[in-house]
Amino acid sequence: SAVISQKPSRDICQRGTSLTIQCQVDSQVTMMFWYRQQPGQSLTLIATANQGSEATYESGFVIDKFPISRPNLTFSTLTVSNMSPEDSSIYLCSARPAGDTEAFFGQGTRLTVV
Amino acid sequence: QKEVEQDPGPLSVPEGAIVSLNCTYSNSAFQYFMWYRQYSRKGPELLMYTYSSGNKEDGRFTAQVDKSSKYISLFIRDSQPSDSATYLCAMTGNQGGKLIFGQGTELSVKP
Repeated sequence: SAVISQKPSRDICQRGTSLTIQCQVDSQVTMMFWYRQQPGQSLTLIATANQGSEATYESGFVIDKFPISRPNLTFSTLTVSNMSPEDSSIYLCSARPAGDTEAFFGQGTRLTVV
Repeated sequence: QKEVEQDPGPLSVPEGAIVSLNCTYSNSAFQYFMWYRQYSRKGPELLMYTYSSGNKEDGRFTAQVDKSSKYISLFIRDSQPSDSATYLCAMTGNQGGKLIFGQGTELSVKP
């Protein structure tokens, strides 16, 4: 298993600004992921954060809007850029240890853009 | 048609009831199946993990997979108010593959 710490847990931001969310895993993991979850909805994968290379983005998500860093095997950041009220959501970091199929999640960042 | 369908509920049951949560899927390549529990304002917590068809039991929880029907279930026996949460199914076709999540079922267990 993996224990994931995510911060901030919540934030209220002005439109047009950017927010960087940090994700720290208690062990080295091969795969880290970033999801978005709208209230009452399921999880939508934004991108897979690859260590040592650029993130792989899902359809509908672009690097300019959601730049991701993965400097090592235990840490990743997601930036939500030039925010608008439509970006208000819960953002979740997830990690999958090597050899595991299951993924583990952080507590989420509840973002409100005003 | 979504790859994974899950009844969003909400589902309300009395304490002590047996709860059945279900997901159907369309992709026959899915082999790995997970159930997550998500409390309000928390991240999803892995509850059960199964590979291929069959049953897996862990305390009051039983996960069932019927690949022939493309149908998975999570049973909760002797449900408790602390089981009140949203339950998400997730699945993938291979160990490194992208997880596909259901919509989540909101469960409320009344004392």
